[in-house]
Amino acid sequence: AQSVTQLDSQVPVFEEAPVELRCNYSSSVSVYLFWYVQYPNQGLQLLLKYLSGSTLVKGINGFEAEFNKSQTSFHLRKPSVHISDTAEYFCAVRHSGYSTLTFGKGTMLLVSP
Amino acid sequence: DVKVTQSSRYLVKRTGEKVFLECVQDMDHENMFWYRQDPGLGLRLIYFSYDVKMKEKGDIPEGYSVSREKKERFSLILESASTNQTSMYLCASSQDRINTEAFFGQGTRLTVV
Repeated sequence: AQSVTQLDSQVPVFEEAPVELRCNYSSSVSVYLFWYVQYPNQGLQLLLKYLSGSTLVKGINGFEAEFNKSQTSFHLRKPSVHISDTAEYFCAVRHSGYSTLTFGKGTMLLVSP
Repeated sequence: DVKVTQSSRYLVKRTGEKVFLECVQDMDHENMFWYRQDPGLGLRLIYFSYDVKMKEKGDIPEGYSVSREKKERFSLILESASTNQTSMYLCASSQDRINTEAFFGQGTRLTVV
């Protein structure tokens, strides 16, 4: 079975500081990895995705993520966060042969002045 | 832009009522999904459909059913609503290709009293 672990349920950070949100997945086959963001009372919006090729993936709003196959990780990073980045972030995996996405439990990023 | 539209943003229903949550997508996607989202539990898949009149159970199908009579529309049905079905419900759609992401609606916050 597919599974995704987001190790931190909440990450508080000051504005303009760097941030890393951690994601690990279980798999022994090819995977496709995604990060979504959810602002309050909204649906999910895609931040970035890893399909193949370069392990460093750049997304919207200055976010990037690095695929590490040996560590089965796909951590999300931003060098300098803004107040407007306050939201919940979900990591998701889709395994080769499966139609569905499996989500982690989410990490709430709280950016304060 | 891909658009996934859920018919209601907020719903309040009584215990025992039959509840219909409607979802429409305008991008001719083959796959459609219903998730429920609860604090600390992330997104859990209830049902998905990969074609008209086809459906597959997800991780938590108990107490729910679905209907897909047309490609663009996917309905979630609570046959007899209960208070433990109070939640945020998210509809999503995707192309039937392994390397594509899912697109989400705005969500329906259902309260069963």
